[in-house]
Amino acid sequence: RKEVEQDPGPFNVPEGATVAFNCTYSNSASQSFFWYRQDCRKEPKLLMSVYSSGNEDGRFTAQLNRASQYISLLIRDSKLSDSATYLCVVNTYTGGFKTIFGAGTRLFVKA
Amino acid sequence: DADVTQTPRNRITKTGKRIMLECSQTKGHDRMYWYRQDPGLGLRLIYYSFDVKDINKGEISDGYSVSRQAQAKFSLSLESAIPNQTALYFCATSDFGQGTGELFFGEGSRLTVL
Repeated sequence: RKEVEQDPGPFNVPEGATVAFNCTYSNSASQSFFWYRQDCRKEPKLLMSVYSSGNEDGRFTAQLNRASQYISLLIRDSKLSDSATYLCVVNTYTGGFKTIFGAGTRLFVKA
Repeated sequence: DADVTQTPRNRITKTGKRIMLECSQTKGHDRMYWYRQDPGLGLRLIYYSFDVKDINKGEISDGYSVSRQAQAKFSLSLESAIPNQTALYFCATSDFGQGTGELFFGEGSRLTVL
């Protein structure tokens, strides 16, 4: 089992749709969580951190469920420019430094 | 100009050749990393360094070596390249002192080993 798992997609949605991605992690000692965005052939860039209480940034909402060991990303009112791959990232500090990337979920937003 | 710069951006080489990928940063971060990305897999850590005198192996260090020449420079070497090292390589930096844990990536170096 992978330490961080994501549905690879692709998710094909029309403009204006709401879409949600989940990411599960296997290490219960994981301590911090992030969503990165990666455009085709580009470097990953931080989209948002994920806090225990949940957090929102404009059209984007991230949530953490420690009991079930997953994080989620909700995108409302999808734009064409949201088309990208979304990477789930989990940091664990127990027994040393470890950052694990999910393989990513591809999103295509169509007009 | 990019804060994290990688050279070369693209390289095609032959099996057995020595290759060096270079990374320089202007962010003033102490921590630097080398990752590789393959289709269908998450980014995997090759090596990381928390300061100039610190070098640590990541999960896939075999076949690679690194050098931290200065705070701002971190190079990755493939002593004898093989085809399964064909991948997209990213250098990254971070400053955990800020508490965010954000990684800042270079634009990537696409390496093809024939």
